[in-house]
Amino acid sequence: QSALTQPASVSASPGQSITISCTGTSSDVGDYNYVSWYQQHPDKASELLIFDVNKRPSGVSNRFSGSKSGNTASLTISGLRTEDEAFYICCSYAGSSTWVFGGGTKLTVL
Amino acid sequence: EVQLVQSEAEVKKPGESLRISCKGSGYKFTSYWIGWVRQMPGKGLEWMGIIFPGDSDTRYSPSFQGQVTISVDTSINTAYLQWSSLKASDTALYYCARRAKVPGGHLYYMDVWGIGTTVTVSS
Repeated sequence: QSALTQPASVSASPGQSITISCTGTSSDVGDYNYVSWYQQHPDKASELLIFDVNKRPSGVSNRFSGSKSGNTASLTISGLRTEDEAFYICCSYAGSSTWVFGGGTKLTVL
Repeated sequence: EVQLVQSEAEVKKPGESLRISCKGSGYKFTSYWIGWVRQMPGKGLEWMGIIFPGDSDTRYSPSFQGQVTISVDTSINTAYLQWSSLKASDTALYYCARRAKVPGGHLYYMDVWGIGTTVTVSS
């Protein structure tokens, strides 16, 4: 069981929006505004999508957005495209130079 | 281009030793922490530990303290994850990742990842 809980899968059609949740505890997600999200395509390096809950690195589409409420963080992808089909992983700083991750969510764009 | 290049997949027997590597390029290697993350088959990512190549300061997750050794060789911009005696339960995909930083200090996310090294331990 992963430290952070994500839905195993989500699916939607091109053009739609989806939200992936990431639930932790008061010792990680709830305690720090240091939630990050990563996109994983098979056999490729993970790509940073969101850091510090809701900030986007340069070059990441504004179709990706992040938020947090209490112990739950969320990633929203709007205007879905077929290339968004990938694995999405959340991560939170947990103090003392440790991080915790979610189990990952497989996004299928139908 | 900033990248972390990890060593190739390994197949080992229980009890054998192993060292896998993660070579940084395109940036000043000694200025950024490098972390290691495990993904067991069918499971999520687990934080193992992190090292600062500048002074080899190393912080282990309690779950991995004493189970693995994290080290660096700054002369070749490479971080290592090492086992002295592998177990079947060490079978996993291992990632290295760079902790982001700005001139003012280190940040709380990983900005660059390797593609992972698969380690298979089987008799």
